[in-house]
Amino acid sequence: EAGVVQSPRYKIIEKKQPVAFWCNPISGHNTLYWYLQNLGQGPELLIRYENEEAVDDSQLPKDRFSAERLKGVDSTLKIQPAELGDSAVYLCASSPHRDPGELFFGEGSRLTVL
Amino acid sequence: ELKVEQNPLFLSMQEGKNYTIYCNYSTTSDRLYWYRQDPGKSLESLFVLLSNGAVKQEGRLMASLDTKARLSTLHITAAVHDLSATYFCAVDGDKLVFGAGTILRVKS
Repeated sequence: EAGVVQSPRYKIIEKKQPVAFWCNPISGHNTLYWYLQNLGQGPELLIRYENEEAVDDSQLPKDRFSAERLKGVDSTLKIQPAELGDSAVYLCASSPHRDPGELFFGEGSRLTVL
Repeated sequence: ELKVEQNPLFLSMQEGKNYTIYCNYSTTSDRLYWYRQDPGKSLESLFVLLSNGAVKQEGRLMASLDTKARLSTLHITAAVHDLSATYFCAVDGDKLVFGAGTILRVKS
């Protein structure tokens, strides 16, 4: 069974530029998460989707971050414009359960903002 | 707001010895998860603990959950080099909240 697929794995941009990350969850997993992981810290939830509906986006900085999951399968996370403090790893995870439960993570997209 | 605290944050282990990592959390929950992360890699699920008194074991690792004390432990028996990684606990509130992680390094 294929795991959670994320791209790109690495991205280096200058501040104020836009960036987008893509995630394809495990087949059949209706719940999709985007997490932010700063160096030396645990993942922090940005947004959670149940199918195409964003059910928890309270931690998403909506002035510059946006996300979509139009057909309830793959998802895109966008930052525009990027700031220096956005340098981090952006993790996508999926779960077959509605409740948080056990998550299956992708390998992450490492963003460096110069 | 749910807070999850792990300690220690860094553990230097000698091969063959036993160690314990602690995960404390601030609000009632009976669902807790342990994940492993190797450098530059993503998180891999290790244990799912779904009730008070739950105990799970895999190889040299054993995890337990005491929901009354709001405490989970991850016990390492006879540490080996392959166990070097960062270990996270995560607690299920209205969302999954992760601890800061414990970096384990096993020395020969």
